[in-house]
Amino acid sequence: DIQMTQSPSTLSASIGDRVTITCRASQSISRWLAWYQQKPGKAPKLLIYTASSLQSGVPSRFSGSGSGTEFTLTINSLQPDDFATYYCQQYNTYSLTFGGGTKVEIK
Amino acid sequence: EVQLVESGGGLVQPGGSLKLSCAASGFTFSGSAMHWVRQASGKGLEWVGRVRSKANSYATTYPASVKGRFTISRDDSKNTAYLQMNGLKTADTAVYYCTISDDGGNSIFDYWGQGILVTVSS
Repeated sequence: DIQMTQSPSTLSASIGDRVTITCRASQSISRWLAWYQQKPGKAPKLLIYTASSLQSGVPSRFSGSGSGTEFTLTINSLQPDDFATYYCQQYNTYSLTFGGGTKVEIK
Repeated sequence: EVQLVESGGGLVQPGGSLKLSCAASGFTFSGSAMHWVRQASGKGLEWVGRVRSKANSYATTYPASVKGRFTISRDDSKNTAYLQMNGLKTADTAVYYCTISDDGGNSIFDYWGQGILVTVSS
């Protein structure tokens, strides 16, 4: 199975900061990568798919980039609603895998 | 409006069995792939498997962690997907979510159920 490694596992940031989360795949997944946001007690919410396509309704301060094995999720001008845990997910193969998650905390 | 509602969770002893259901509405169930994803308390997301549509022979795929113990099925006449869990281990304790994707290669999850707790303990 393809392993997905996210870094950092925890990130402390302030309102208005630019935040970058990295996701690395153990082998090339082309651009078959999605990003999700999850808040405590809630199901994940799809933010980005095919590495950089913004899901409908998601604020434009979220963006994704990358291909192959290295990907990033960037949040420009962090807002109070953005404090959450973020997961990447590869769908290059029929066996899907998620990254371990990155918790974005208030500094 | 897409709705996914899980049921059937609860407490089960190690080695026991449990069957979860996911009742779906608001989309073309028969043409979608149905997936299960779980999350242990304080941990990350783990994909548990999928069942494809009738057009793709109801093919199933599972990760190694549950293969041979878990079975995903569907009843298109009832718009319901199932997760049969056998040989349960304490490590299977988690909130289980059902989710949907298209039945091609785009296994991304825009709609999720509310999740249901499965606790494996003696």
